Amino acid sequence: DTEVTQTPKHLVMGMTNKKSLKCEQHMGHRAMYWYKQKAKKPPELMFVYSYEKLSINESVPSRFSPECPNSSLLNLHLHALQPEDSALYLCASSQVRGSNQPQHFGDGTRLSIL
Amino acid sequence: QKEVEQDPGPLSVPEGAIVSLNCTYSNSAFQYFMWYRQYSRKGPELLMYTYSSGNKEDGRFTAQVDKSSKYISLFIRDSQPSDSATYLCAVLYNDYKLSFGAGTTVTVRA
Repeated sequence: DTEVTQTPKHLVMGMTNKKSLKCEQHMGHRAMYWYKQKAKKPPELMFVYSYEKLSINESVPSRFSPECPNSSLLNLHLHALQPEDSALYLCASSQVRGSNQPQHFGDGTRLSIL
Repeated sequence: QKEVEQDPGPLSVPEGAIVSLNCTYSNSAFQYFMWYRQYSRKGPELLMYTYSSGNKEDGRFTAQVDKSSKYISLFIRDSQPSDSATYLCAVLYNDYKLSFGAGTTVTVRA
């Protein structure tokens, strides 16, 4: 079992729905990340939070809205998604933001857009 | 040019064989290298983390970095069917950028 927990494991939603993905870590890490992974491709970075503040947005469409309520939790709010947004959404954390700080991933939420 | 290049395979070996996985990277300034293992329908699991050049060993796994040729390798000794997974090499730079290779799918045949 990973130390980064993501819920739900699977999510099916229509293009007009609003839903949220949740991520939790209890390792005391102060940097958290959202990634998107399409089938047979490596993960692609979406957002970086450092000390609960959004520090990097990799030009992600506004239909994805991240939120970091506290140092252990990271949410990704979804609204008006497109079929091409179907993917595995991964949360990761590291002790702090830094090139010497390895990132640890959760098992992801598999999202399907109808 | 991509930061990391990895042969996507697939690679199939008999149980007990040595698995050899390789990546090349583009920027000689990179210092932090990782190998992740990803099972089907799971997230990437950090397997090995190395800094600079040299070897690092953890049980049946050995990670090597050759900075002179910008080459990183992962060796799995005495491979088991449970080692069947996709292996992703990665470099970490600019404080947060984790650039992955394409991933190599490995199957260990019983």
